[in-house]
Amino acid sequence: DSGVTQTPKHLITATGQRVTLRCSPRSGDLSVYWYQQSLDQGLQFLIQYYNGEERAKGNILERFSAQQFPDLHSELNLSSLELGDSALYFCASSVSANEKLFFGSGTQLSVL
Amino acid sequence: DQQVKQNSPSLSVQEGRISILNCDYTNSMFDYFLWYKKYPAEGPTFLISISSIKDKNEDGRFTVFLNKSAKHLSLHIVPSQPGDSAVYFCAAMSYSGAGSYQLTFGKGTKLSVIP
Repeated sequence: DSGVTQTPKHLITATGQRVTLRCSPRSGDLSVYWYQQSLDQGLQFLIQYYNGEERAKGNILERFSAQQFPDLHSELNLSSLELGDSALYFCASSVSANEKLFFGSGTQLSVL
Repeated sequence: DQQVKQNSPSLSVQEGRISILNCDYTNSMFDYFLWYKKYPAEGPTFLISISSIKDKNEDGRFTVFLNKSAKHLSLHIVPSQPGDSAVYFCAAMSYSGAGSYQLTFGKGTKLSVIP
């Protein structure tokens, strides 16, 4: 158990809908990262937060947004969903920006 | 443009033999490298890392080698065990400004250790 909790584990929705993925980092970790893993793709970095502030953006679509709350949990919001958004979404946390990441078990999103 | 490449999607090895997983990178700004292991239905877990100032790091059965001039690193598992069967991701870290570091992953290599 990495200590990073992601909910829900599975999510099935329709095109055009909006969903929210939730992540609770390990106790004491200030950095939260979101990654997307599509079929046959590696882990694509989406966005990073550190202590409530956005620190870095990767290949995140404009339809996607995220935030980190004062209690350090984070949410990834995906809107106007398309079939191609179906993927495994991972949250990871670390103590500081240049430490190794600890990953949650992911949320499997299926857009039908 | 893929900055971290794992050119072998899969690898099969007999139990007890050596497994060698390879990774190439293109960005010379990468200064810290990590290997993660992933089992089905689980998130990636950290395995071993190496700083760019070293050329080898060993942890039990796992050794990572770094060749900076060739921009190449490899993970050796000796001896391989059936429980090592998983997808292995190579990752490289670089400073991305404003106190932030970014971890870039390869696509992974699926290792199968045959009993």
